[in-house]
This record gives sequence, structure tokens and C-alpha cells, in this order.
Amino acid sequence: QVQLVQSGAEMKNPGASVRVSCKASGYSFSDYYMHWVRQAPGEGLEWMGWINPNRGGTRYALKFQGRATMTWDTSINTAYMELSRLTSDDTAVFYCARAGTAESWYFDLWGRGTLVTVSS
Amino acid sequence: DIVMTQSPDSLAVSLGERATINCKSSQSVLYNPNNKNYLAWYQQKPGQPPKLLIYWASTRESGVPDRFSGSGSGTDFTLTISSLQAEDVAVYHCQQYYSTPRTFGQGTRLEIK
Repeated sequence: QVQLVQSGAEMKNPGASVRVSCKASGYSFSDYYMHWVRQAPGEGLEWMGWINPNRGGTRYALKFQGRATMTWDTSINTAYMELSRLTSDDTAVFYCARAGTAESWYFDLWGRGTLVTVSS
Repeated sequence: DIVMTQSPDSLAVSLGERATINCKSSQSVLYNPNNKNYLAWYQQKPGQPPKLLIYWASTRESGVPDRFSGSGSGTDFTLTISSLQAEDVAVYHCQQYYSTPRTFGQGTRLEIK
């Protein structure tokens, strides 16, 4: 079954970091770009960046450069997104989304999302 | 960055009636060498992730009912639901994948009148 399974909800203090995982199954993980998208409560979708496991590349939205780190482990078909220096504004659901084998492609498969709550 | 603007922000339509959602990009997302518009539509129901409905502006994703259709080119796009069903209540998002950063519209909330 083609799917993306994300890690569970997290609660973090301000200033901490969070790492969200996204395990792919049912397809060749390395062949596809994987994107990360954030959605604050009641808000729209915000693109954070992508990884390209095949070529070993990453690209970040300017807003998240220096604070987000996207990595992967092809041996377990898993992508990771770590966000540091959390503030209450980072309270959101974080999604991983598969795109195609080319850089400019639509998102055809989404994880169910991981809720990250930042509160003291 | 390409700014995506949807209209309206919310919409109430009677069951069986047509629903139309518009999406405008601040610059063209048409790639002339292949004549493709790099524009997708997603449906998001409460508590669920977005689901791909339409890509290349007008290609319906496998399994999506044919009452959903996409049209437009360049900077102006439309998602049409020809006959609204109760299960179509959701927020609809357009997205350009022409350039980085990928950008989404603000979303349009569709309800039953």
C-alpha cells in the first residue's frame, strides 16, 4: 500500500526543537521528491521545503532557512524534518507530501500530519 | 515569489448546484516548452490532510469524481464542481508548482446552503 506514515503528536516548550518523521511505503522512496508543508490552526498551507534523496539535495523556503533541517534515511525509507528555536507561532500540523521524480511536480500523496504544540 | 489568490474566501451552494472557485497567480505558471500549467487543486476535509484533485490545471486525479473539473491557463484558473454533493464540503486550495517556493492560495471554504 502506497502511504506516508508520520510520527505522533509532540508538545514542546518554547526554544526547544522538534523532529517529525515520515515513513514511506509501497513505492521507491529515493526516486521521489518529498516536501514538507505547515498548517497553523485555522490557517492555510505553507510550504517549508523539499528533499531529493536521489540526488542528495534539499531546498528550503527562505522563512525556514537556518531553522529547519530536512534529512532522510534511505535504509528505512524515512524522511525527517527538524525545526529548532520553536515559538508559539510554530504550533501547527506538519505534513510530508510526495511529489514526482522531477523537481516541478504536484503533491500526489500526503501523510496524515503531525501536530506540534509549542507552549510553556 | 508567486502569490496565489483565491476567490471567494467562502462559498455556500445548494446541493445539486454548481460551485465555482477561482485562483489567480501573480505571474504565469504556464511553461511554454511543454504548454503545461503548473497548477494543482487540493481538497481538505476537517481533520484530514489535503487530497489531490486536479493537476496540470485540468487533469483529474485517478478516482476523483467527474463532477470536479479544472480550467484556465496562464494566471487565471477555476475549479468547478458541477453538482454539489454533501461530501464535497471542504476547504479547497490551489497551488503552483512552477517555481520555488511552492505557494498555495489562502483556501476557499465550501459549505452547503
